[in-house]
Amino acid sequence: EAGVAQSPRYKIIEKRQSVAFWCNPISGHATLYWYQQILGQGPKLLIQFQNNGVVDDSQLPKDRFSAERLKGVDSTLKIQPAKLEDSAVYLCASSKGASGSLTDTQYFGPGTRLTVL
Amino acid sequence: AQKVTQAQTEISVVEKEDVTLDCVYETRDTTYYLFWYKQPPSGELVFLIRRNSFDEQNEISGRYSWNFQKSTSSFNFTITASQVVDSAVYFCALRPRGRQLTFGSGTQLTVLP
Repeated sequence: EAGVAQSPRYKIIEKRQSVAFWCNPISGHATLYWYQQILGQGPKLLIQFQNNGVVDDSQLPKDRFSAERLKGVDSTLKIQPAKLEDSAVYLCASSKGASGSLTDTQYFGPGTRLTVL
Repeated sequence: AQKVTQAQTEISVVEKEDVTLDCVYETRDTTYYLFWYKQPPSGELVFLIRRNSFDEQNEISGRYSWNFQKSTSSFNFTITASQVVDSAVYFCALRPRGRQLTFGSGTQLTVLP
């Protein structure tokens, strides 16, 4: 079974530029998550989708971050404009069941390492 | 609010030594799951184990074992006879019912040959 795919793996941009990340979850997984992992810290949830609907985006900085999951499969996360503090690894994860399911295990992709200069 | 504390920032051991990674959690919820993930240098978080709050049985899987103690809110992870390939950052995480997954800050394990 193929895992969670993400691209690009690395991205370097200058502040105030825009950037987009792509995620393809494990086939059949209904729930998709985007996390931000700053160096030396654990991942922090940005947004959670169930199918193509947003379940939780309370920690997403909506003035500059946006995300969508068209057709309930692939997802893109965009930052516009980027700031220096956005430098981090952006991880996508997916899980099989309904959002909020206690038994659901999240499976992670390799992440996109973003450097903002 | 929930919180996960991994007090050990970095641990270094010599190959074949046993090593224990500590995890202490806080939550007011009575129903929750605990997880351990491994993050090798490649960056992908690899799921290792899930344990629910009603099951305090310890678990062993090969060289890995987990000790869950509800009385001390701890979920420690032991690697027996460590190997160089075990070198990675290990994260403990907590998910109470209806809430999001909260990660600790991770423990960097280095196994020296």
